Amino acid sequence: DQQVKQNSPSLSVQEGRISILNCDYTNSMFDYFLWYKKYPAEGPTFLISISSIKDKNEDGRFTVFLNKSAKHLSLHIVPSQPGDSAVYFCAASSPTSGTYKYIFGTGTRLKVLA
Amino acid sequence: GAGVSQSPSNKVTEKGKDVELRCDPISGHTALYWYRQSLGQGLEFLIYFQGNSAPDKSGLPSDRFSAERTGGSVSTLTIQRTQQEDSAVYLCASSFGGVLAKNIQYFGAGTRLSVL
Repeated sequence: DQQVKQNSPSLSVQEGRISILNCDYTNSMFDYFLWYKKYPAEGPTFLISISSIKDKNEDGRFTVFLNKSAKHLSLHIVPSQPGDSAVYFCAASSPTSGTYKYIFGTGTRLKVLA
Repeated sequence: GAGVSQSPSNKVTEKGKDVELRCDPISGHTALYWYRQSLGQGLEFLIYFQGNSAPDKSGLPSDRFSAERTGGSVSTLTIQRTQQEDSAVYLCASSFGGVLAKNIQYFGAGTRLSVL
């Protein structure tokens, strides 16, 4: 049972345009969400997070939107740069399963074309 | 060290052999996690250590898997009698502890295990 789903395994975007990565979840108890970025042969690195009390969090070129009623979050990257090419994972945690226990999606591979 | 360090970076073993994977967390981090990423899958939680508390082993897939954390720092993940389905990248992460804090987990580069 995949509680966190990233239905697009890959995405290609032109440099300078917006990249939108999507993530859906099924557990309504999730209250904290994160995005991680992973380059080949490296571990995932934290990118941005959002608490369920918010619907938007922005950090530079990266913005995460949370729609609790739809159980959907998205990561927007504007403008996209070639260095953004990586695999992006969304993750979620809940108070009931332990705030430390992140449930990860399967990832979306973003390719930004120069 | 500056980041989470894992060794070896690659491990090739024969089916039925035991393997040990090592993780050095970031200095000062009291929480340590092991995850597994199989081909085409997301990161799968395996085990969590926090200070001197009993570890959360709920993610370990079978009793062939075990982990220790000595002195609250270095951790070793041991897989006994390896099977081909154990082939995956094993990732370690660490964070500042605390149940209520939304602590960011910092990952190592992983150990790629291949069981022939």
